[in-house]
Amino acid sequence: GQQLNQSPQSMFIQEGEDVSMNCTSSSIFNTWLWYKQDPGEGPVLLIALYKAGELTSNGRLTAQFGITRKDSFLNISASIPSDVGIYFCAAVNAGGTSYGKLTFGQGTILTVHP
Amino acid sequence: GAGVSQSPRYKVAKRGQDVALRCDPISGHVSLFWYQQALGQGPEFLTYFQNEAQLDKSGLPSDRFFAERPEGSVSTLKIQRTQQEDSAVYLCASSKRVDTQYFGPGTRLTVL
Repeated sequence: GQQLNQSPQSMFIQEGEDVSMNCTSSSIFNTWLWYKQDPGEGPVLLIALYKAGELTSNGRLTAQFGITRKDSFLNISASIPSDVGIYFCAAVNAGGTSYGKLTFGQGTILTVHP
Repeated sequence: GAGVSQSPRYKVAKRGQDVALRCDPISGHVSLFWYQQALGQGPEFLTYFQNEAQLDKSGLPSDRFFAERPEGSVSTLKIQRTQQEDSAVYLCASSKRVDTQYFGPGTRLTVL
C-alpha cells in the first residue's frame, strides 16, 4: 500500500489566495516530486526536488524537500481558476541500482472559486 | 507521437472477461511502468520494464494480471477473468531518467 500521507485531502479557496499542502513519509526518500492531475488525464510533473532542504520554484509554485528526507510541501501563490485539479506528492529513491518506482500520496483536491 | 499514448481510453467489461490494455511509450524511452489508480487515490505501482525485460512485477495484485513488452517498446497489460475490484484507471509511464516519468492519459476500466 501507499506510504505517503498527504494533507489536506481537499481545499476550497478563492481566486488570488495562496495554497499550501504537504506530504510525510515513514521512510526516507532521496527524491520528492509534485504532480498535478486533471480529470481524464495522467499526472504531469510540476516540480522535482533532489536534495534535503532544497527549495525550488516553478512560476507560482514553490516546493521544499524536508531536512529529514521524510517530508515535502508545495505552495501555490495567487491561485487562479486553472489551478483546479488534484495534486499528488510522490517520492522515489533514485540512483544506484534503483529504477525509479514512484510511491504516491493520496492527493489533494484543489477547487478555486473565481 | 510526442507523448505516451494508451488505448482504449475506456473499457467496460463483464465480470469474468479478459481485457488487454495497450501502452505506446515515448520513442527511445527504455523504462516503462504500469500503475493502477483507484477512484480517489494516488497511483500504485504494478510493474516495471527495462527494454523488454520485466524487472519488477511485485505490484501486480494477482496472477490474473500479466504484462509484456516483447520488443522493448509497446507494452500490454492483460487482466484475465476480470473482477469488480479490478475497476480502476490503469496508467502507463515511460522515462529515460528515473526521476522524470511521463504518464499517459490512462485507461479507465469498469467491470460490471
